[in-house]
Amino acid sequence: AQKITQTQPGMFVQEKEAVTLDCTYDTSDQSYGLFWYKQPSSGEMIFLIYQGSYDEQNATEGRYSLNFQKARKSANLVISASQLGDSAMYFCAMREELAQGGSEKLVFGKGMKLTVNP
Amino acid sequence: DVKVTQSSRYLVKRTGEKVFLECVQDMDHENMFWYRQDPGLGLRLIYFSYDVKMKEKGDIPEGYSVSREKKERFSLILESASTNQTSMYLCASSSLLAGVVYEQYFGPGTRLTVT
Repeated sequence: AQKITQTQPGMFVQEKEAVTLDCTYDTSDQSYGLFWYKQPSSGEMIFLIYQGSYDEQNATEGRYSLNFQKARKSANLVISASQLGDSAMYFCAMREELAQGGSEKLVFGKGMKLTVNP
Repeated sequence: DVKVTQSSRYLVKRTGEKVFLECVQDMDHENMFWYRQDPGLGLRLIYFSYDVKMKEKGDIPEGYSVSREKKERFSLILESASTNQTSMYLCASSSLLAGVVYEQYFGPGTRLTVT
C-alpha cells in the first residue's frame, strides 16, 4: 500500500520569498509518479508539477520546482518568489498503477495550507 | 481548453434521499474518478472507471454506487443519503495514453450537505 505524508498543517510566508512544502511517500514500487496540486478557496484542484521515479532531473514548471530525493522518499515542492495568489491548500499525490486495463489512481496526502502575507 | 464539469456546486438533501451527482468531461478521457474531500483527511477515492460500463471500488465505496453509460459521463449515486456523507465531492478524469504524464483534471466540486 502506498502512503503520502504531509506533516505541515499550515505555513506562512512573506510575499516574494521562497517556500518549501514537504512531502514524503512510502512505496515498494520501482516505477511511480508524484504530483502536486493546488486548491484555492474556490475549490478547484489545479495540477502544478509532476516527477517520475525514473526522472534524473528535478521537475520544474515556472516558479514551481520539485526537490526529489529518491533515497529519502521525499518530493518537496519549492515555490520561488511567492505571490499573494499562491495562498491555497496544496496536496501531494502519488500515482498507483492498477492491473485493470492499465489504469491508474492517485493517492493523496492530507494537504497543507499556505498563506502568503503581503 | 480541457474541461470537467459537475452538475451542481452546492446541494442540500435530506437524510434518506437518493442523490445523483453528475460529472461530464470533454477530453475523451478513458479514466474517470470520484473523490470526497474532508478537512484533515485530504482526498479519498470513492469509485473509479477506466472504460464505459466499467467501475472499480476505491478506498471508501460504502454507501455509494456509480454509473458510466457513456464515456464522457460518470455519475455518483448516494442510494440513501446520510449526514456522514456531508462533504465536498470532486470528479476527475485522466487519459490512458502510454508514455504521457497523465495528470488528473478535476471538476469544480460539489459541496453536498445532508440534513
